[in-house]
Amino acid sequence: SAVISQKPSRDICQRGTSLTIQCQVDSQVTMMFWYRQQPGQSLTLIATANQGSEATYESGFVIDKFPISRPNLTFSTLTVSNMSPEDSSIYLCSVFSRNYNEQFFGPGTRLTVL
Amino acid sequence: DAKTTQPNSMESNEEEPVHLPCNHSTISGTDYIHWYRQLPSQGPEYVIHGLTSNVNNRMASLAIAEDRKSSTLILHRATLRDAAVYYCILRDGSGGGSNYKLTFGKGTLLTVNP
Repeated sequence: SAVISQKPSRDICQRGTSLTIQCQVDSQVTMMFWYRQQPGQSLTLIATANQGSEATYESGFVIDKFPISRPNLTFSTLTVSNMSPEDSSIYLCSVFSRNYNEQFFGPGTRLTVL
Repeated sequence: DAKTTQPNSMESNEEEPVHLPCNHSTISGTDYIHWYRQLPSQGPEYVIHGLTSNVNNRMASLAIAEDRKSSTLILHRATLRDAAVYYCILRDGSGGGSNYKLTFGKGTLLTVNP
């Protein structure tokens, strides 16, 4: 299986600041995704991180708010910009493995914005 | 994306079988049926998936109705560790990178009583 790590695991941030979340995979993967899980809610897909090109954002999510980098096939970052308390969520990275025909999820980054 | 309908919650006793239903009446011919579960404070994990035929793996069985408009995830012998939110998700398998993203519904919260 693909092993995914995320940094930081949690953080408490002030309103108006930005936080960059890192996602590292132990093998090369083509497809990498970023999800958000607001308190008590299900997961919502933010964007697909594309290697070598701009991320593909879902409806309701924009690059200015959630810039994403994907410099290679094992690493991606998600930045939550100009944060407000409404951004308090768990942010999860996931990858699709063709070998296993399933998605693997990271442990998540728990963000609290004061 | 085709939608799924699941009960909000179900309860089971330890060491008894659990049948988790999912309705997907608008499923298309190329949609795979995936099941993921999310244990408390963890990212989702893959359980099983299928297209038309029933599937078995070490974690569970997936029974798919003949018309494919519903499916049932079967845990043969529930343990306390199986307490989680179970998500039934349809994934378009007709090809292309964007078809590997998952759209999560609210899922079923399974409680396992000792």
